[in-house]
Amino acid sequence: GQSLEQPSEVTAVEGAIVQINCTYQTSGFYGLSWYQQHDGGAPTFLSYNALDGLEETGRFSSFLSRSDSYGYLLLQELQMKDSASYFCASEGSSASKIIFGSGTRLSIRP
Amino acid sequence: NAGVMQNPRHLVRRRGQEARLRCSPMKGHSHVYWYRQLPEEGLKFMVYLQKENIIDESGMPKERFSAEFPKEGPSILRIQQVVRGDSAAYFCASSERQGDEAFFGQGTRLTVV
Repeated sequence: GQSLEQPSEVTAVEGAIVQINCTYQTSGFYGLSWYQQHDGGAPTFLSYNALDGLEETGRFSSFLSRSDSYGYLLLQELQMKDSASYFCASEGSSASKIIFGSGTRLSIRP
Repeated sequence: NAGVMQNPRHLVRRRGQEARLRCSPMKGHSHVYWYRQLPEEGLKFMVYLQKENIIDESGMPKERFSAEFPKEGPSILRIQQVVRGDSAAYFCASSERQGDEAFFGQGTRLTVV
């Protein structure tokens, strides 16, 4: 089976840095993706890590450690518009489907 | 290039009626995924289809739910004899190839009254 665990809620201050962790258990693993979803909106793709290490895209970075079955999403210089739910996701053992974690709701305070 | 199009955006059905949700993938995409999301919860995988084929339906309820992706036209998620528990947002995503980044539609919010 597959499961991805992430914290349900995180609160941070505008301008700060926040890290959202994700641990996974999969029978097969191709890589870890991150998606952002605003209330009432569609999930949008943020990043993908196939290999160990850090991938940086502007204010967002994503990290993967395959040996630890662990990854995280790092958001820097937080803005109020970053308030959203963030999902880690992984493909199935045959890459036949994308399985999502239950999501982390990020709340940002001024 | 239009994104993934889902319609209707909102759908209200009475208990016992049928709901038909449509998804047109991005141009050039032949892989379609359907997900269900309850309020304050994550996205639950339902079914993965390629043109004319169901590849993985391990997340589909055994009864009342069916999906298709015909050679021509959109993918359809069909829910027969809807019940209150079917109320949720249903998202469709598409990708060009298996394992590629998936692009999501805006979802259909089904309310069963």
